[in-house]
Parts: sequence; structure tokens; C-alpha cells
Amino acid sequence: EAGVAQSPRYKIIEKRQSVAFWCNPISGHATLYWYQQILGQGPKLLIQFQNNGVVDDSQLPKDRFSAERLKGVDSTLKIQPAKLEDSAVYLCASSSGAHPYFGPGTRLLVL
Amino acid sequence: DQQVKQNSPSLSVQEGRISILNCDYTNSMFDYFLWYKKYPAEGPTFLISISSIKDKNEDGRFTVFLNKSAKHLSLHIVPSQPGDSAVYFCAASRGGSQGNLIFGKGTKLSVKP
Repeated sequence: EAGVAQSPRYKIIEKRQSVAFWCNPISGHATLYWYQQILGQGPKLLIQFQNNGVVDDSQLPKDRFSAERLKGVDSTLKIQPAKLEDSAVYLCASSSGAHPYFGPGTRLLVL
Repeated sequence: DQQVKQNSPSLSVQEGRISILNCDYTNSMFDYFLWYKKYPAEGPTFLISISSIKDKNEDGRFTVFLNKSAKHLSLHIVPSQPGDSAVYFCAASRGGSQGNLIFGKGTKLSVKP
């Protein structure tokens, strides 16, 4: 079974630029999550989708972050404009009723 | 305010000995607890979980204990192996396995040959 795929794996941008991350969940998984992990911290949920509907986006900074899951499969997370404090690993995860399975993450560095 | 706390940033044990990783939580509404293992440059990998209706769950060398009155859980690894060296994250949820996972900061385990 293929795992959660994410791209790109690494991204370096300057502050005020925009960036987008892509996630392809495990086939058949209805629930998809985006987590942000800042260095030295545990992952923090940004947004949770059930199929193509948002279940929880209470911790998503909506003035600069947006996410969508069209057709209830792939998802993209966008940051516009990026700030220095957005430097982190962005983890996508998916589940089908059991625990979430995580992808390898995208490491973002904002200079 | 941290709802899930892992107070030991690191732990070092000898191969073959027991590793005990601890986790405390503050929210009595949490009903599901998980442990994830993370290697560098990889995403977290699920290890073991426990529901709040249980006080122990075992899977091979890994056992998780839950003490609800103390709001404390621990992960025991017996015997420890060098391949167990990784960062271990404790996580808790209010909505079962599908809920928002609240993670601790992690404990880096080093198992020395």
C-alpha cells in the first residue's frame, strides 16, 4: 500500500513570497489533515478535511493560509504572503477511521 | 498552554534494557492516546494507541500504560534495540482516533549498543 505522498520535500523562499504544498493521501482515506511542526515542537493541526469538507480549521491563520481538497482526494496548502515564523515542516496525514498516517513532510525555510 | 507534556527532552538507555517514556496531560476530556515514532527527515510513524476505557495496551515489545487519575501515560519498550533510537511523540485526542491530535514536544531516545 502506497503511503501519503507530499511535494515538494524542501522549499526555500523569501518573506512575503507565496508557496504551495501538495498532498496525495492513501487511497480510500476520507480524512485528511495538515499539520505544522516548528523545530523543537510537536506537530500542530492546521486543518482537517472529511472528504472535501472542512471539519476543523480553528488553528489555521486564515489571513495568510488557505487549503483546499477538491474532489475529496488530493489537497493543497498555500501560504501567501509567507513570514519568517512560517519556517517549519508541513505534514500531511490521512486516515480511514484508525490513527492518522503521516507523509514525509515538506520542509519550508523562509528567509 | 501545553495540554500534552513530555518533560524529558532526551533519554539514553543500553541495548537490551527497558526504555520508559513518560507523558502527562491536562485535559480530562481526552479519550484516546497515541505514541508516534519519528526518524530524521521522515514523517511520524504510528506505534501504539490506547483508549481511555483501558489502562494498558501491549504490542510486541511496546506497552502503553494509562493512569487517568494522574493524567499520565507511559510507553515501555522491552528490550530496547539500537533501531529504536528516534524521537517519540505522545499525542491525545478528544474525538477518538479521528479527532484533532494534540502532540507533546517529543522525547529523543538513544539506545546504545
